[in-house]
Amino acid sequence: EPEVTQTPSHQVTQMGQEVILRCVPISNHLYFYWYRQILGQKVEFLVSFYNNEISEKSEIFDDQFSVERPDGSNFTLKIRSTKLEDSAMYFCASSGVWGGEEHNEQFFGPGTRLTVL
Amino acid sequence: GQQVMQIPQYQHVQEGEDFTTYCNSSTTLSNIQWYKQRPGGHPVFLIQLVKSGEVKKQKRLTFQFGEAKKNSSLHITATQTTDVGTYFCAFGAGGFKTIFGAGTRLFVKA
Repeated sequence: EPEVTQTPSHQVTQMGQEVILRCVPISNHLYFYWYRQILGQKVEFLVSFYNNEISEKSEIFDDQFSVERPDGSNFTLKIRSTKLEDSAMYFCASSGVWGGEEHNEQFFGPGTRLTVL
Repeated sequence: GQQVMQIPQYQHVQEGEDFTTYCNSSTTLSNIQWYKQRPGGHPVFLIQLVKSGEVKKQKRLTFQFGEAKKNSSLHITATQTTDVGTYFCAFGAGGFKTIFGAGTRLFVKA
């Protein structure tokens, strides 16, 4: 069964450093998302991406964040200058196929745990 | 912005007991989704409801969307230890933005 993959599974970085989190969405999906989840808390929407551009973003997704789909398979989240409060689990998700009705059925990857020291 | 309130925050049940979690919004929702997240895992989509008064069943799970499309519930009949996890409701907030509730964490004692 196709699945969303994410690398690395755990990233430790120093405050102020840049990190890039990588995701490979399900191959025929059209919509891509990043979420974060601080330990024990709810899943928070960061950004959605469709047709090679951002379609929605939350107030969390400020100028320190960017997303890219550099090729036909990868979808990345970059945090330019990490802060302590960026420590969280980051989930990538994908959804939607051409001709399908339910782009809201999102398939989540296993997540990258980001620890900022 | 739009948000949903989920209750209860936690629920401890004995295996075999029923469990219900509720999701409430102050505004009308276009749809409601339910996800399950096992401890240490990622959210897994369970179902989406879009119609007023809609009821859907998946084995022991029953999902309802209120007539006014402002509330929803997930009911599990005869819980099993495999039901352990956090159940989140979520809704489409326009475009491709999905907002999650805070979740209800279910503990099942064998």
